[in-house]
Amino acid sequence: DVKVTQSSRYLVKRTGEKVFLECVQDMDHENMFWYRQDPGLGLRLIYFSYDVKMKEKGDIPEGYSVSREKKERFSLILESASTNQTSMYLCASSSEDRYEQYFGPGTRLTVT
Amino acid sequence: DQQVKQNSPSLSVQEGRISILNCDYTNSMFDYFLWYKKYPAEGPTFLISISSIKDKNEDGRFTVFLNKSAKHLSLHIVPSQPGDSAVYFCAANPSGGSEKLVFGKGTKLTVNP
Repeated sequence: DVKVTQSSRYLVKRTGEKVFLECVQDMDHENMFWYRQDPGLGLRLIYFSYDVKMKEKGDIPEGYSVSREKKERFSLILESASTNQTSMYLCASSSEDRYEQYFGPGTRLTVT
Repeated sequence: DQQVKQNSPSLSVQEGRISILNCDYTNSMFDYFLWYKKYPAEGPTFLISISSIKDKNEDGRFTVFLNKSAKHLSLHIVPSQPGDSAVYFCAANPSGGSEKLVFGKGTKLTVNP
């Protein structure tokens, strides 16, 4: 079974704080993704990575950065958290020869 | 510009009946389609997929139909069960080796006992 884990299920941060969200997958997948999910907006891609140290912007990269130093780990960084970044953050991974993405349980981030 | 559209935000069905969830897309270059199910406070789980070279794929109670000329796909759940109550997302993969998926906004299915 593919397992994708995320470092926190719930997180509360203050405006202006630097926030790290960690994601780890155990299936040796090449591709990893960060999405946010908001009511009525579905899943929107923030960033994805197709290899170690490689990254590409998704649809809504503003205010975020990412890091992938090891194949199994993909981090999402909010350099200076703002209230409009309050959301559910979802990490996913996929192998290079399959389209199916496997998701972690999500991190509910609240920025106050 | 929304390339994958799920026009019904919600759907309510009686237990034992058929649930039909619909999805329309605008990009004719999409060549693979997927359905995901999401329970509250959990990540989406992959349900079923279909390649653009097929028009139907079946897995137990779940069947996905693809009508390329209409750029429309649908997910049929028969018979519906209360445990099927969740948000269902349609997703599509552009051709050309892209790793990305484009998701619809989701349809919330409620199956009433």
